Amino acid sequence: DGGITQSPKYLFRKEGQNVTLSCEQNLNHDAMYWYRQDPGQGLRLIYYSQIVNDFQKGDIAEGYSVSREKKESFPLTVTSAQKNPTAFYLCASSITGQGETQYFGPGTRLLVL
Amino acid sequence: SQQGEEDPQALSIQEGENATMNCSYKTSINNLQWYRQNSGRGLVHLILIRSNEREKHSGRLRVTLDTSKKSSSLLITASRAADTASYFCATDAENRDDKIIFGKGTRLHILP
Repeated sequence: DGGITQSPKYLFRKEGQNVTLSCEQNLNHDAMYWYRQDPGQGLRLIYYSQIVNDFQKGDIAEGYSVSREKKESFPLTVTSAQKNPTAFYLCASSITGQGETQYFGPGTRLLVL
Repeated sequence: SQQGEEDPQALSIQEGENATMNCSYKTSINNLQWYRQNSGRGLVHLILIRSNEREKHSGRLRVTLDTSKKSSSLLITASRAADTASYFCATDAENRDDKIIFGKGTRLHILP
């Protein structure tokens, strides 16, 4: 089964804690993306990567960090610097990152305790 | 920065009726896409229309693109309960380094 997976489905963060959201794809896509979605809102781009070992900031990168050590994996860390982390986080991938179709994972809902 | 904006924000129709959603954008594009999102789920790609195309069909979906008005519409014919979802348009922009930008979506509710 080809696809993009995210884990966990729900994640709880304590004050001052860093948490990492997992995103894995077996579609052999070069590009991967992280979006944040707040209730009733569209998607805002956090970070994206068009190739292994390279990534760029999106529109709301502050308080987040990523790595792209493998083609299949693009984990997102929500750091303690992100003061309002409660949101739905979506990971996506595309073949080349040339503005074409993106394939989304099921999402991770992050809640603050 | 907002590129695409859907209209209306919310729409309720009876099952079997047609649903029309609109998207307006600000800058020149190479293509425009429509996605569907069921509550609490990831987005699913529906259709991509390129800037040199005016209309595209996929099953019960019909998408039009008017680049002179910088607008697109998504028509869902003979709606079903399973069409209840949020629908987003997404545009690339010629100076956006290959990223696509999503609008805030139209929430569609199909009444039984």
